Amino acid sequence: EVQLVESGGGLVKPGASLKLSCVASGFTFSDYWMSWVRQTPGKTMEWIGDIKYDGSYTNYAPSLKNRFTISRDNAKSTLYLQMSNVRSEDTATYYCTLYYGSPFDYWGQGVMVTVSS
Amino acid sequence: DIVMTQAPLSVSVTPGESASISCRSSKSLLHSNGITYVYWYLQKPGKSPQLLIYRMSNLASGVPDRFSGSGSETDFTLKISRVEAEDVGIYYCGQLLENPWTFGGGTKLELK
Repeated sequence: EVQLVESGGGLVKPGASLKLSCVASGFTFSDYWMSWVRQTPGKTMEWIGDIKYDGSYTNYAPSLKNRFTISRDNAKSTLYLQMSNVRSEDTATYYCTLYYGSPFDYWGQGVMVTVSS
Repeated sequence: DIVMTQAPLSVSVTPGESASISCRSSKSLLHSNGITYVYWYLQKPGKSPQLLIYRMSNLASGVPDRFSGSGSETDFTLKISRVEAEDVGIYYCGQLLENPWTFGGGTKLELK
């Protein structure tokens, strides 16, 4: 059974950095592209970016490219999202997703990030 | 960016009746390979989104055949026949033709 478990969220101050993790199981992690998607409190969905199965290529939403970095550790079956210089508009639930047969085939349970002073 | 516009914002349906949700893209989602890259997702209350339909009209694994997707190059429809209580939630369309991938604003389905 595919499982994606995010962690690392919480309350952070504007301008701070935060690193989210997503531990994957139930499939061969190193064979698949992965991505991050966020959902705002108003339920708007926004794709953040994705990463190739071997970590050699990343793709980002242009509006987030300069502040967010996606990486992975295939030995640990873990996906990461490094967020820097966070802003109030980054307040959202962050989902780790798997491109299995189709894009966003599987989603984690999500982790909340609240940016507030 | 390709803008995905959904209508209506919310729909209230009597159990057993059908419901339709529309999605319009600001650009054709038909690739030269003949595939139309529109997807539908359902987020049930308190849950993560799940894939319902891929490439406009293909049912994802485990999804009841009460769900169907159709459309043209820019106008798409998700139809739910014989709505059940478990169908309640927010439905999103999404495009994966062109970076950045984008989603519609969502349509909330409720029961009467």
